[in-house]
Amino acid sequence: EVQLLESGGDLVQPGGSLRLSCAASGFTFSTYASSWVRQAPGKGLEWVSSISAGGDYTYYADSVKDRFIISRDNSKNTLYLQMSSLRVEDTAVYYCAKRPAGAGVYFEYWGQGTLVTVSS
Amino acid sequence: EIVLTQSPGTLSLSPGERATLSCRASQNLRSSSLAWYQQKPGQAPRILMYGASSRATGIPDRFSGSGSGTDFTLTISRLEPEDFAVYYCQQYGGSPPSFGGGTKVENK
Repeated sequence: EVQLLESGGDLVQPGGSLRLSCAASGFTFSTYASSWVRQAPGKGLEWVSSISAGGDYTYYADSVKDRFIISRDNSKNTLYLQMSSLRVEDTAVYYCAKRPAGAGVYFEYWGQGTLVTVSS
Repeated sequence: EIVLTQSPGTLSLSPGERATLSCRASQNLRSSSLAWYQQKPGQAPRILMYGASSRATGIPDRFSGSGSGTDFTLTISRLEPEDFAVYYCQQYGGSPPSFGGGTKVENK
């Protein structure tokens, strides 16, 4: 059974930093691309970032480019999102998501999410 | 960036009724690169459809997807109590991937 377990969400002040983690199990993590998707309170879904299976290629939404860094440790079956220069508008539940095999950038499995609150 | 517009915003129906949800893209989506998700309160989204019309694993056949180009539809043939939720479409034919604003299907 595919499982994705996010952690690291917290209350942080504007301008601060935070690192999210997503522990994967139930599949061969190193052979699938992964992504982060967020959802602001009461709002819709927003793609944040994606990383290739081997970690060679990374992609970012314009709203987080140059502030967030996605990475992965395939030896630990873990996906990360390093967030810096956080803004109030980054407040959201952050989900990690498994992409399917092949080129489709859709989200086959989702974690339960971790809440990031940016507030003074 | 491809913008997805979902309509209606809210659909009020009763169990057993048919639900028809629309998703319109601002540009043609190559290879019908559209997915649908269901989200219930306090839960993560769950994939329903991909490739516009392919059901994801474990999704009952009362859910169906159709469309191509810029116009796509998710149909729930007969609503079950567990189907009342918010539904999102998502395109992956262009970069970046993007989601529609959602349609809430509520119990009338």
